[in-house]
Amino acid sequence: NAGVTQTPKFQVLKTGQSMTLQCAQDMNHNSMYWYRQDPGMGLRLIYYSASEGTTDKGEVPNGYNVSRLNKREFSLRLESAAPSQTSVYFCASSEPTQEPRAAFFGQGTRLTVV
Amino acid sequence: RKEVEQDPGPFNVPEGATVAFNCTYSNSASQSFFWYRQDCRKEPKLLMSVYSSGNEDGRFTAQLNRASQYISLLIRDSKLSDSATYLCVVANTNAGKSTFGDGTTLTVKP
Repeated sequence: NAGVTQTPKFQVLKTGQSMTLQCAQDMNHNSMYWYRQDPGMGLRLIYYSASEGTTDKGEVPNGYNVSRLNKREFSLRLESAAPSQTSVYFCASSEPTQEPRAAFFGQGTRLTVV
Repeated sequence: RKEVEQDPGPFNVPEGATVAFNCTYSNSASQSFFWYRQDCRKEPKLLMSVYSSGNEDGRFTAQLNRASQYISLLIRDSKLSDSATYLCVVANTNAGKSTFGDGTTLTVKP
């Protein structure tokens, strides 16, 4: 019953460093998402992938790239980290063709950029 | 204007109280609706789906009004453990996209 698995759970980066956040789901879902959540604020969509082979920008895509590697995996890359990217990052997946059609989340990655 | 708007609260209520949260959405093409619960520093978790006919799960009742583009969540007999942030979610399942409200914070006090 893994659901959505994110790695790493915590990360500290220096300004200008790069890193990739990994996400994998074992629910055979077509859609996958990356959100960020800043303290005291709601979730903001960075990128999403409606199905394998497609990706689309969300509300706050600048400074990020994504790869939908296969149906299971959707990674988020920060090419040159900035302090403004300090946040909690959540990956989620959903299956639009089957109830409950809701998104299920990973446990999050807490990223600090110094 | 945000696609999904919620009253941020906070709502501070005594145990046993009934509390209602509201949410409005702007995209009339939205097809699926949900309420999530998020505890501090944790991931959001699905609380319940919302259907046009209204649905109930124990002390929780959700309603959808498509004409007014409005969703509600009613919590009866509040428990201390209900303290959390409640997120309204609207999905366009054809586009494979879900949009979250900023959440309403509930604190239930003894």
